[in-house]
Amino acid sequence: DVKVTQSSRYLVKRTGEKVFLECVQDMDHENMFWYRQDPGLGLRLIYFSYDVKMKEKGDIPEGYSVSREKKERFSLILESASTNQTSMYLCASREPQGAPETQYFGPGTRLLVL
Amino acid sequence: AQSVTQLGSHVSVSEGALVLLRCNYSSSVPPYLFWYVQYPNQGLQLLLKYTSAATLVKGINGFEAEFKKSETSFHLTKPSAHMSDAAEYFCAVSDRTGNQFYFGTGTSLTVIP
Repeated sequence: DVKVTQSSRYLVKRTGEKVFLECVQDMDHENMFWYRQDPGLGLRLIYFSYDVKMKEKGDIPEGYSVSREKKERFSLILESASTNQTSMYLCASREPQGAPETQYFGPGTRLLVL
Repeated sequence: AQSVTQLGSHVSVSEGALVLLRCNYSSSVPPYLFWYVQYPNQGLQLLLKYTSAATLVKGINGFEAEFKKSETSFHLTKPSAHMSDAAEYFCAVSDRTGNQFYFGTGTSLTVIP
């Protein structure tokens, strides 16, 4: 089974702090994704990465950056956290090209910015 | 551009009753379609997926969905609801590259004993 883990389940930070959310997958997937989930808005894609050191903006990249130094690890960075970034953050990993496209999700990190 | 619309943000059914969660999509190319379930305080788990094979797709936990191109729909059904089905359900569409998934806003299912 694919396993996608996220470093924290719950996180509380103060406005202006730099925040790192870590995601690790153990199936050698090339593609990894960061979403945020908000009530009534569903999941919205922040960034995705299709290879080491490669990244692409999703629908709502403002206020976020990402890092992919190793294939198994994809980090989401909030350079200066703001209260409107309080949300549930979900990381996902995708099967290799040629397989039916399916994303596997981590358990999520619930971030509260005070 | 692709998008997904889930009709009804909250659905309540009695235990043993039919579950019907609605999803309509828009896509300019043949899409891949997915249903995910999210239990409280957990990530999303794949229920089933349509990838242009059989139009009736069977998933885990007794759920199934039918792809209807003429109606641009991919509704999720289960003949008999169980208490453990209470969760939030998301419909999603992607193009063939899979680089962009578009999720619906979710439907929260309540099962009444």
